[in-house]
Amino acid sequence: GAGVSQSPSNKVTEKGKDVELRCDPISGHTALYWYRQSLGQGLEFLIYFQGNSAPDKSGLPSDRFSAERTGGSVSTLTIQRTQQEDSAVYLCASSLAASGGAWETQYFGPGTRLLVL
Amino acid sequence: GQQVMQIPQYQHVQEGEDFTTYCNSSTTLSNIQWYKQRPGGHPVFLIQLVKSGEVKKQKRLTFQFGEAKKNSSLHITATQTTDVGTYFCARDNYGQNFVFGPGTRLSVLP
Repeated sequence: GAGVSQSPSNKVTEKGKDVELRCDPISGHTALYWYRQSLGQGLEFLIYFQGNSAPDKSGLPSDRFSAERTGGSVSTLTIQRTQQEDSAVYLCASSLAASGGAWETQYFGPGTRLLVL
Repeated sequence: GQQVMQIPQYQHVQEGEDFTTYCNSSTTLSNIQWYKQRPGGHPVFLIQLVKSGEVKKQKRLTFQFGEAKKNSSLHITATQTTDVGTYFCARDNYGQNFVFGPGTRLSVLP
């Protein structure tokens, strides 16, 4: 079956503009995660969804970042008034479930490479 | 906090040599996952360890979970150029979000 897909694959924007990044998880996966990875660095957790709700928003770097998920499927990560330090690869992952202390394998999408000029 | 540390940060080996990366936590882990990320690619799940002292093998890869469940290791026997990439361990944070280690970047010289 289809894996996690993300769009766009690449995005170049000017400082101060807003961007929207989209993630389509694997069908049936209730948990969805957003990460940020700067060049040569590790994975920085941003936000996690269980269904449509986000029990953990602790990783969002600032109030310029927001995310939503509708219908328990597609998620959108929005960055307002982009800054140059926002340049990174934004990775989305999904898993079957993440509740009650049990957690499942995460399947990652190919990422969106964001460059803020 | 709930961080995990990985050592070494970088490792350069000659093809055919062995390689080991270590993942350490100051607190007891319920379980640990390992991922591999090829250059330019995205992380791909390798394995999950749950039990104290658990050892799992995947061909040339051997994964181990410490007896105290505070550390884990990944050992690659006779490295190949296809092993190049960054290896991450990841721990759960009370069954919700995940915390990834900083990764160990492996380069294999032919």
